[in-house]
Amino acid sequence: KAGVTQTPRYLIKTRGQQVTLSCSPISGHRSVSWYQQTPGQGLQFLFEYFSETQRNKGNFPGRFSGRQFSNSRSEMNVSTLELGDSALYLCASSLEGQSTGELFFGEGSRLTVL
Amino acid sequence: ILNVEQSPQSLHVQEGDSTNFTCSFPSSNFYALHWYRWETAKSPEALFVMTLNGDEKKKGRISATLNTKEGYSYLYIKGSQPEDSATYLCAFLGGTASKLTFGTGTRLQVTL
Repeated sequence: KAGVTQTPRYLIKTRGQQVTLSCSPISGHRSVSWYQQTPGQGLQFLFEYFSETQRNKGNFPGRFSGRQFSNSRSEMNVSTLELGDSALYLCASSLEGQSTGELFFGEGSRLTVL
Repeated sequence: ILNVEQSPQSLHVQEGDSTNFTCSFPSSNFYALHWYRWETAKSPEALFVMTLNGDEKKKGRISATLNTKEGYSYLYIKGSQPEDSATYLCAFLGGTASKLTFGTGTRLQVTL
């Protein structure tokens, strides 16, 4: 059974640009959550998608957005990049959502903003 | 803002030592408590999902307990091995079950 796949694994952008990250969940999982990790911080919740609908959202500015497709694959987009957006972005999938059991994480996309 | 704290921040033990870490979380409005192990250059991997006060879970040499009334969970590792070296994360899910709030983790290093 294939795990959660995130692409790209590494990317470098400059301030003001925008970036799109992709996450393919485990087959059969309908929930995808996104997290940001910066040095010294715990994983910060960005948003959760379930059946193509955003179900929950964390405390991030509107520059951070996401979507989920009918095959449960999800993308997140960050517009007008800032230096502080440099981070590891993790996505996690689960059968029905965070309230129903463990999350399965991808290896992350490491974004560097110069 | 929910406060999930883990202690210690880091820990260095020798092979064969037993060790434990603490996760503190709000004692009200509890839904679930997750534990994950995160090895360097890999993805976080679930260890336990705990939902009931007094719950005790075990997986091999690793076990966890839960006290929802006082808001803490302990993770124990018996006879640590070098392959146990990782960051151990706990995550709290509150009553509305809307989002997991993660602690900053305990980084364990086990040496020979």
